[in-house]
Amino acid sequence: DIVMTQSPDSLAVSLGERATISCKSSQSLLYSSNNKNYLGWYQQKPGQPPKLLIYWASTRESGVPDRFSGSGSGTDFTLTISSLQAEDVAVYYCQQYYSTPYTFGQGTKLQIK
Amino acid sequence: QVHLVQSGTEVKKPGASVKVSCKASGYTFTGYDMHWVRQAPGQGLEWMGQINPNSGDTNFAQKFQGRVTMTRDTSISTAYMEMSRLRSDDTAVYYCARAGRAVGSSWYAYWGQGTKVTVSS
Repeated sequence: DIVMTQSPDSLAVSLGERATISCKSSQSLLYSSNNKNYLGWYQQKPGQPPKLLIYWASTRESGVPDRFSGSGSGTDFTLTISSLQAEDVAVYYCQQYYSTPYTFGQGTKLQIK
Repeated sequence: QVHLVQSGTEVKKPGASVKVSCKASGYTFTGYDMHWVRQAPGQGLEWMGQINPNSGDTNFAQKFQGRVTMTRDTSISTAYMEMSRLRSDDTAVYYCARAGRAVGSSWYAYWGQGTKVTVSS
């Protein structure tokens, strides 16, 4: 199974500041035939299902604010929130869909400093 | 618009079975794989498996092999996840989640609201 490891486990950032979450996979998520990274990012607020933010490592889902961006390739990926808003307080998960069983990172809890 | 509506809260005793439903609307049910993901209290997300609603083909995480069944009824656009021999560590919220259309597009833009399953004697 592909192991997904996020860092940090928790993060406190001031409003308006940048938040950066890292996700590392135990094997490459880059599929050579199409040059796509099989990596997604989700936001989950208490009592709600996860919300898709990013897929193919860097493609923003429709309706997601452009302060959210994804980057990286191979085994190292980053979710960046360029200017933290109060409504961004949540737990964030990365997910690999390169091979089954599809696996998630352990989550990063983002709070306001 | 796409909606996935799941069945309600369940309380079961150890050793029992539970069947959770996920009714889809707003799209062609047979055109997209349905996946199931669970989340234990205070924990992360765990992929359980998937079903192709068109063919009925399934694929499970190894830890659920032999204990989980995924089926569908295309006449009512509903997917089902049944788990047998329940244990206390199966206590979780169970989500259905729709994958993208293309092969390999197993990210989840649409989720059910979740079904809380509690296993307790």
